[in-house]
Amino acid sequence: GENVEQHPSTLSVQEGDSAVIKCTYSDSASNYFPWYKQELGKRPQLIIDIRSNVGEKKDQRIAVTLNKTAKHFSLHITETQPEDSAVYFCAASIWTGTASKLTFGTGTRLQVTL
Amino acid sequence: KAGVTQTPRYLIKTRGQQVTLSCSPISGHRSVSWYQQTPGQGLQFLFEYFSETQRNKGNFPGRFSGRQFSNSRSEMNVSTLELGDSALYLCASSTGQGSNQPQHFGDGTRLSIL
Repeated sequence: GENVEQHPSTLSVQEGDSAVIKCTYSDSASNYFPWYKQELGKRPQLIIDIRSNVGEKKDQRIAVTLNKTAKHFSLHITETQPEDSAVYFCAASIWTGTASKLTFGTGTRLQVTL
Repeated sequence: KAGVTQTPRYLIKTRGQQVTLSCSPISGHRSVSWYQQTPGQGLQFLFEYFSETQRNKGNFPGRFSGRQFSNSRSEMNVSTLELGDSALYLCASSTGQGSNQPQHFGDGTRLSIL
């Protein structure tokens, strides 16, 4: 089955700096890659996603890049703010024609310091 | 639009008991997926339901089961509870139509086994 590796497990940046989280996946059939942000005690929230026919997607301070050949995708957060502090999860999904299944990375705890 | 609603929010059980968790999806969403979240294993896929049919299943023992009703609400059941079943159980809903639609999570049910 699909395996998703995520790095780093923890990341500390100063406010205003950029943060980059990287994920690799094993199954070349994966075609959908969402990123979730989970604050302490709260639900995972979808922050951005990308499909395999797109190489890059941006939404304000957040961007995701996908390299299908290398089977890796990354989350980029620019101008980080304290409210960006949370655990971020990447995921990969394969659509079989009748069903999909999200496989998650192990998470990155991002801390933005003042 | 109301979000995904899970009940109850917290549950304490003892080993050997069984438990039923409930999930009401976003209005109009027909797909419901369940995940188990633990500090050690992260977010792991349990199963997905669409139109009252299980479309996909993760690698969990048969003690974990679920169902979906005609109004798309879903229940998950765990029988013969074990200490290792202590976790946050999250459900997520999506439209379920076509490839890999974004999934939106509920707040989860935190299950503690004594």
